[in-house]
Amino acid sequence: DIQLTQSPSTLAASVGDRVTITCRASQGIAKYLAWFQQKPGQAPKSLIYSASTLQSGVPARFSGSGSGTDFTLTISSLQPEDFATYYCQQYSAYPLTFGGGTKVEI
Amino acid sequence: QITLRESGPALVRPTQTLSLTCTFSGFSLTTAAEGVGWIRQPPGKALEWLAVIYWNDDIRYSPSLKTRLSITKDTSKKQVVLTMTNMDPTDTATYFCARRLGVLNFDYWGQGTLVTVSS
Repeated sequence: DIQLTQSPSTLAASVGDRVTITCRASQGIAKYLAWFQQKPGQAPKSLIYSASTLQSGVPARFSGSGSGTDFTLTISSLQPEDFATYYCQQYSAYPLTFGGGTKVEI
Repeated sequence: QITLRESGPALVRPTQTLSLTCTFSGFSLTTAAEGVGWIRQPPGKALEWLAVIYWNDDIRYSPSLKTRLSITKDTSKKQVVLTMTNMDPTDTATYFCARRLGVLNFDYWGQGTLVTVSS
């Protein structure tokens, strides 16, 4: 199985901050990586697929980069509605796997 | 407008079989590259992928749960059913279904249904 390691596990930030979350894969996955945002009591929301392509309707302050084993999710200017937990997920190979999550808190 | 909704029992006894239904709208599950997957999340923990079924009847399971899972589809009813046998308290989780569409991956999700396994 391909393991995904996210860091940090928790991140304290303020509105307006630039935030970067990393996701490292245990083996190369090309660009088959997605990012999700999840708020308490809600379903995950797809933000990015193919490592860097924004899903329709996702604000441009979100961006993704990377390929192979190292990936990042960046929020250029943190907004109040962005406080949530973020997950990466690889779809290069089965079984599909998720990272452990990064909680972005105030 | 694409929507998915999970339904099933909120409480299951240990050793029983769980059956969850995902009822979807806004897509057909007959178009190339379309699929519906199941993902679960124990309280306070990370997401775990369980299974996916595609438009062409291709099916994939999580290896760690493969012997306990079964996924089927009924495109006329626009439903996907996940069955999990021999339920255990460690299977307590919110179960989500989601559409999978090629490289767009899991783009639409249901709101989830909490299943508690307890005697």
